[in-house]
Amino acid sequence: NAGVTQTPKFRVLKTGQSMTLLCAQDMNHEYMYWYRQDPGMGLRLIHYSVGEGTTAKGEVPDGYNVSRLKKQNFLLGLESAAPSQTSVYFCASTRAGEADEQFFGPGTRLTVL
Amino acid sequence: AQSVAQPEDQVNVAEGNPLTVKCTYSVSGNPYLFWYVQYPNRGLQFLLKYITGDNLVKGSYGFEAEFNKSQTSFHLKKPSALVSDSALYFCAVRGGLSGGYNKLIFGAGTRLAVHP
Repeated sequence: NAGVTQTPKFRVLKTGQSMTLLCAQDMNHEYMYWYRQDPGMGLRLIHYSVGEGTTAKGEVPDGYNVSRLKKQNFLLGLESAAPSQTSVYFCASTRAGEADEQFFGPGTRLTVL
Repeated sequence: AQSVAQPEDQVNVAEGNPLTVKCTYSVSGNPYLFWYVQYPNRGLQFLLKYITGDNLVKGSYGFEAEFNKSQTSFHLKKPSALVSDSALYFCAVRGGLSGGYNKLIFGAGTRLAVHP
């Protein structure tokens, strides 16, 4: 099992450019999440999905969109990147049980110039 | 609203000494509490969790955590620290009303530095 994988690992964008981050999991998990990690702020939830075809906003959703067309994939889109979106992005997945732990991908380091 | 506080930005400890990383939480209903560790340039790794039952939870790499309902705390502990334990540690809570069980709320993280 590869677990949770993220593509790409690194990316540099110019302000106004768009991009999509891909997250894939092979554990048949129902729930998937996108977080951003910034120094001193821990992980903040951007969007999440509790099943194929469903998404919901997290703590910091502005400037991002997501899609979950297949159970194993969760895409995070930036339509018009801004320097404030410079961050490390983590994807995670978990089973649907209330007490289940989340499994994290290795992260994508994004710089917006 | 759910929240997690890790009051220490950094904890320094000598190798071989016991370590404690503090965490307090606020959530309505029964909390599910987690500790994760992050090594440099890596994703988060699950260490342990509290669901119910025994207040002392044992996890990976010799870590344990003590749940204290009256103090709303879930401190991470290890009897004898190793230099290789140096990393960033996150406490997280899952719970509360209005879909709170679908999400984890993380603390800001505590950097543990173990000195030889």
